[in-house]
Formats: sequence, C-alpha cells, structure tokens
Amino acid sequence: KQEVTQIPAALSVPEGENLVLNCSFTDSAIYNLQWFRQDPGKGLTSLLLIQSSQREQTSGRLNASLDKSSGRSTLYIAASQPGDSATYLCASTTQGGSEKLVFGKGTKLTVNP
Amino acid sequence: ETGVTQSPTHLIKTRGQQVTLRCSSQSGHNTVSWYQQALGQGPQFIFQYYREEENGRGNFPPRFSGLQFPNYSSELNVNALELDDSALYLCASSQQGLAEAFFGQGTRLTVV
Repeated sequence: KQEVTQIPAALSVPEGENLVLNCSFTDSAIYNLQWFRQDPGKGLTSLLLIQSSQREQTSGRLNASLDKSSGRSTLYIAASQPGDSATYLCASTTQGGSEKLVFGKGTKLTVNP
Repeated sequence: ETGVTQSPTHLIKTRGQQVTLRCSSQSGHNTVSWYQQALGQGPQFIFQYYREEENGRGNFPPRFSGLQFPNYSSELNVNALELDDSALYLCASSQQGLAEAFFGQGTRLTVV
C-alpha cells in the first residue's frame, strides 16, 4: 500500500526566499507524481506532473524533481511571494493511466511580506 | 475548453439523510474520480468511473455510490449520512491513459 508523507507540515518564510518542500513515498513503482496547490476551502490546482521516466519538471518559478530509487520528490519555489501562500500537496499513482491518486497531508506555506 | 465544475458549492444536511453531489468533467476527459478531504488531511480516494462503469474503489462503505453518464459527467450519492461524512468532496477528471488529473472547486458538505 502506497503511503505519501510530506515534511514539514507547515513552513513560514519571508518574501523573496527560495524554499524546498519535501514529499516521500513508500512504493517506488510509481507511474507519476503530481504537485498541487490548494487555497483555503478550495479545490486543487495542478502545478506540475512528473512521469516516472522523467526526473524533473519546471514551470516558471517552480521546479519539481523525482528520485524513484530513494522514494522522494521535492518542489522548489524560487523567489517566494505572498501570493504563494497556500497548502501544497503531492500525490502519486502506482498504476497506469488515471488510477487513483494517493496524497500526502500537505505542507502549509506562509510567505510573509 | 471548460474546466471541472461541481455543484453545489456548499450543502448542509441532517444525519440520516441522503445527498447527491454533481460533477461535470473537463472537455475531452472520459474518467471521473471522487475524493473526500477531511479538515487538515489529504484527499482520500472514494472511487473512479470510466466509460460509465466503476473502475476502482477506495476504503469507503457501500452507502457511498456513484454514476457516470454518457457525457462523462458524474454523481456521488451518500446515503444514511453520518457526522463524520462532513468534508470537502472533490471531483477530478482525466483522460484514461494520460497521467494528469484536474480538480473541481469542491463541494463542502456539513452534516449536523
């Protein structure tokens, strides 16, 4: 059974700082790993998807990496802004196609002006 | 291209009642998955529908049931509501065989 853990549970940083969010998973036979952003009481916004054959993906100030052998993924946010404040969730799938996502509990990020 | 839409946004029900939540999938997507997210937790997989048939189910009792229609929209039905069913219910759509899932804004269900 896949288990996904995110550390830290909460993080507070000053504006402009570069930061890394961590995600670990127990089953290395993942099909892909997806990072999401969730604002309070809202749905999930997909940020980055890394397929099992890839090692990283980039979108703007965001960079996500995947190391299947160690069961880890990281989300790097460069030059953080107050608008980045949200909860960040990672999720993996262990079967092909659109099989179920297994989520971590998320990291709540606060970027202070 | 329209995104994933869910209705209603908020709902208050009494314990023992039944509820139906609705989801319209993103254009071009044939798969819908439902998730339950309790406060402070990550979403938990309820079930998935592909081409109108259930295609996987999480650890939820039979009183959680669903449907998918020919236009790929979907319903989640919950019977005999319990207080612990209070949560944010999320719908995700995707194209079977492709990896990325897209979520709606969720339905906040409160059971009193």
